[in-house]
Amino acid sequence: AQSVTQPDIHITVSEGASLELRCNYSYGATPYLFWYVQSPGQGLQLLLKYFSGDTLVQGIKGFEAEFKRSQSSFNLRKPSVHWSDAAEYFCAVALTDKLIFGTGTRLQVFP
Amino acid sequence: DTGVSQNPRHKITKRGQNVTFRCDPISEHNRLYWYRQTLGQGPEFLTYFQNEAQLEKSRLLSDRFSAERPKGSFSTLEIQRTEQGDSAMYLCASSPKGGQFDPGVSNEQFFGPGTRLTVL
Repeated sequence: AQSVTQPDIHITVSEGASLELRCNYSYGATPYLFWYVQSPGQGLQLLLKYFSGDTLVQGIKGFEAEFKRSQSSFNLRKPSVHWSDAAEYFCAVALTDKLIFGTGTRLQVFP
Repeated sequence: DTGVSQNPRHKITKRGQNVTFRCDPISEHNRLYWYRQTLGQGPEFLTYFQNEAQLEKSRLLSDRFSAERPKGSFSTLEIQRTEQGDSAMYLCASSPKGGQFDPGVSNEQFFGPGTRLTVL
């Protein structure tokens, strides 16, 4: 069955440090992949998406993600984290007309 | 603001009561989705509409749940005889995609702020 795994439940980084959030998917065909961010009391905001083409995808707020088919991964990265990046991050794969989400990674940022 | 809106934002009810949530999608988006998110989990798909037609329902959507989108615009999600296990955030999303799933067409979904349901 199609699924998304986010191995890290909680990550803590210092402001200004680099960040990588892991995402692995299980999907038979070429996946359509997404990263969403959810701040407390807010809805999900799309950071970036991958459909095809260049495997390095640029998103909003300085985020990028790299699709690696051989590793079934779509990890999210940011070179320098800001305190406002503290939030919950969800990786998702599109299964026909719906999204399958991972369980999320909570990011905490220390000053 | 022309984003997806949901009302109410919070709902507290007693077990056994019925509740109804409303979602207003982005104007002219013909796809509308409902998801449920429990604490510590990612959103789980419940159902979706293409215009007024309900095209798919998850097995998570028991017979106590019913969703409608009568005129292809706003949608309602009703839960009858609520149970404590129904406590969750109910998220609505809309998408501009019009036809069948097409690998060449964006499947981006725009989410509302959610309705948090607490069943006592």
